[in-house]
Amino acid sequence: DAGVTQSPTHLIKTRGQHVTLRCSPISGHKSVSWYQQVLGQGPQFIFQYYEKEERGRGNFPDRFSARQFPNYSSELNVNALLLGDSALYLCASSSERTNLYGYTFGSGTRLTVV
Amino acid sequence: GQSLEQPSEVTAVEGAIVQINCTYQTSGFYGLSWYQQHDGGAPTFLSYNALDGLEETGRFSSFLSRSDSYGYLLLQELQMKDSASYFCVLTDSWGKLQFGAGTQVVVTP
Repeated sequence: DAGVTQSPTHLIKTRGQHVTLRCSPISGHKSVSWYQQVLGQGPQFIFQYYEKEERGRGNFPDRFSARQFPNYSSELNVNALLLGDSALYLCASSSERTNLYGYTFGSGTRLTVV
Repeated sequence: GQSLEQPSEVTAVEGAIVQINCTYQTSGFYGLSWYQQHDGGAPTFLSYNALDGLEETGRFSSFLSRSDSYGYLLLQELQMKDSASYFCVLTDSWGKLQFGAGTQVVVTP
């Protein structure tokens, strides 16, 4: 059974550009969350989607948006990229909205903004 | 708001026991989890404490004391492959994970 898959694995963008990151959850998982991990820090919560609706949003500017599709895959969009957006973006999936016994993370997309 | 504190780095030799402490401040949470992350990899779930006390999973054990706002992860019989970052994580009722800054565990021969 495939785990959580994210694409692309690496990406280089220029300041001011737009980026779209993609995530496919484990088959049967309806919840997808996005996290940003800056080098040397813990992941920071960006969004949670459950059953195609936004269920939670972290402290990120409106330049960040996301959506979940009928097949439960998800996209994270970031507009007007800043140098500070350079980070590892992680997607986590769960069968339930609140999985107390662990989320499964993908290996992430490494975004570099130059 | 919420905050978690854990040591930035711990070094130990193979076969040793390491304890990573975590103190937190929060108005409410479901439980305390621990995740392991190797360099550039995906965080991997290790353990979860919903109630006070000790949870044991193989070589790893985790402890929670809500009255002391304190928890720890115990790594026994350290192996070289245990060199990684370990995060204590608060889980709230909405499913949001609040990660600490992480503890880098370095295992030496």
